[in-house]
Amino acid sequence: DTEVTQTPKHLVMGMTNKKSLKCEQHMGHRAMYWYKQKAKKPPELMFVYSYEKLSINESVPSRFSPECPNSSLLNLHLHALQPEDSALYLCASSQVILTHEQYFGPGTRLTVT
Amino acid sequence: GIQVEQSPPDLILQEGANSTLRCNFSDSVNNLQWFHQNPWGQLINLFYIPSGTKQNGRLSATTVATERYSLLYISSSQTTDSGVYFCAVVGSQGNLIFGKGTKLSVKP
Repeated sequence: DTEVTQTPKHLVMGMTNKKSLKCEQHMGHRAMYWYKQKAKKPPELMFVYSYEKLSINESVPSRFSPECPNSSLLNLHLHALQPEDSALYLCASSQVILTHEQYFGPGTRLTVT
Repeated sequence: GIQVEQSPPDLILQEGANSTLRCNFSDSVNNLQWFHQNPWGQLINLFYIPSGTKQNGRLSATTVATERYSLLYISSSQTTDSGVYFCAVVGSQGNLIFGKGTKLSVKP
């Protein structure tokens, strides 16, 4: 099974709200990723976790806060977002970083009003 | 950092036609993947192909790592093949670096 699940599928939030995105995989992968994709653009990396430790933070604003509570779960906590943060948020996982195939979840389509 | 270029940016085909999508990259890579993004945004893994040739049904891919390019072949295209095709390579920190994609439209 090569499934990565993400919840919710859609999220609408105001600029003062706090919400969280959730990602889960049960493939025993030890690397997990958050990507952001704006309309008509390719996905861009936000964060990488390797063995539950934050490995890369691509200069993402602090209103995005990642969390990796265990090797199967990855959360993205959202607070005080801006309308320009509206995008498709994609989670991915791979066996380890650098040399293995990455598998993506279906994404959460976020709208900030 | 590594640059990834895809061509053509847009492609319109009649159902049943064949096509070739190209991906050029600027440096040697350990990992190259092809994805199909469907209209709902799901990125579907097509091939993991750092080098060599692979086939899966009507799709096949070839990567010539020494010349820094990869090709995706779609034969006997169907309307369900429509969407955006991305090529992506792994950067030095493990993240995937995507090309801008090829938008394929298959007309019935």
